[in-house]
Amino acid sequence: GAVVSQHPSRVICKSGTSVKIECRSLDFQATTMFWYRQFPKKSLMLMATSNEGSKATYEQGVEKDKFLINHASLTLSTLTVTSAHPEDSSFYICSARPGLLYNEQFFGPGTRLTVL
Amino acid sequence: AQSVTQLDSQVPVFEEAPVELRCNYSSSVSVYLFWYVQYPNQGLQLLLKYLSGSTLVKGINGFEAEFNKSQTSFHLRKPSVHISDTAEYFCAVNAGNNRKLIWGLGTSLAVNP
Repeated sequence: GAVVSQHPSRVICKSGTSVKIECRSLDFQATTMFWYRQFPKKSLMLMATSNEGSKATYEQGVEKDKFLINHASLTLSTLTVTSAHPEDSSFYICSARPGLLYNEQFFGPGTRLTVL
Repeated sequence: AQSVTQLDSQVPVFEEAPVELRCNYSSSVSVYLFWYVQYPNQGLQLLLKYLSGSTLVKGINGFEAEFNKSQTSFHLRKPSVHISDTAEYFCAVNAGNNRKLIWGLGTSLAVNP
């Protein structure tokens, strides 16, 4: 149980285009989903927290207009990287939490974004 | 504010040797502690967690960790490592009402034959 999927697993795009990454909780309802970014050989950096039906809360320094997050249902959150540039190339990981009082997050397999 | 310190960025070890990956945290409130493993080009896999109860926690792949409240530590141990244990290991703390995970910088475990 508690499986989280991400799609796509890898994406290569041209500079200036937008890319959408999906995060789905497959066997539970996720009231909260988190989006992380991981640079090579670095730890995870929390980008934003999204609660179903409300606006995402972005961490300091993360551009909300650049990284659009939508948590439209209890099983789906999307991250759209708008007007992507090479510096946006990274490994993006989502996680999901079943309830507000739940202490554990379940992680997706990650999406490797390469912007040419 | 909470923080997590993984004291070793890299740990080289020979196969079948024991290993300890160190993690210390700081928090003024009760914490929940986690160890995750990340294999190259993959996502995170939960190794083990401490939420409450026994301070010695057993996880997958033969790993265990001990929660030491007085020393604010949660060190990860394995008595005999395999080549396949080569990976990045992350310690994380979940504290406070917002339930965000605070991450250590990771420890790269390299198991050599």
